[in-house]
Amino acid sequence: DAGVIQSPRHEVTEMGQEVTLRCKLISGHNSLFWYRQTMMRGLELLIYFNNNVPIDDSGMPEDRFSAKMPNASFSTLKIQPSEPRDSAVYFCAGLATGVWSEAFFGQGTRLTVV
Amino acid sequence: AQSVTQLDSHVSVSEGTPVLLRCNYSSSYSPSLFWYVQHPNKGLQLLLKYTSAATLVKGINGFEAEFKKSETSFHLTKPSAHMSDAAEYFCVVSVSSDKLIFGTGTRLQVFP
Repeated sequence: DAGVIQSPRHEVTEMGQEVTLRCKLISGHNSLFWYRQTMMRGLELLIYFNNNVPIDDSGMPEDRFSAKMPNASFSTLKIQPSEPRDSAVYFCAGLATGVWSEAFFGQGTRLTVV
Repeated sequence: AQSVTQLDSHVSVSEGTPVLLRCNYSSSYSPSLFWYVQHPNKGLQLLLKYTSAATLVKGINGFEAEFKKSETSFHLTKPSAHMSDAAEYFCVVSVSSDKLIFGTGTRLQVFP
């Protein structure tokens, strides 16, 4: 059963601190996406991986953002140092193998940087 | 290049009246098309997907969408809106099964 688990669900941190968001894919995915959602900018694609390889990171806003996918089922998105404007909900999604497959989204991590 | 356009950023309807959320796509290949719904403070949930088996696709909660190749459209409809349908709706095109392109979303309001 395909699914996506994100942790933590909520994160409050002080400006300048490092933040790490985690995403676990349950099974059957070959692509992973990180999105950021804000009221002002809507849903933005930050980066996506295919077979653990970063394909397009043009949406990563700055060098402060980095993402890794060390294996087929796990990815991290790191912000160092964090800033208040990074406050958003960050979603991870997995896309299963197959032309007609749909993406499964995690519940998101709500990040607040104060 | 592939793209998707949601023609309305906001749609307001009265409870019990029909819903129409419009989506047009551009794709060089046969597209995979999806509609996702996001309720407030929730993640995105798949409503329905076009898989080329049938042009009229039925989804959850009474929604359906019709794939019209000649019009490059994939509009989402529901005969009778319910208060619980108030949410944001995203039209999505999948390219080569490894990339998703999202529309900008349509916020549906339902009035009693």
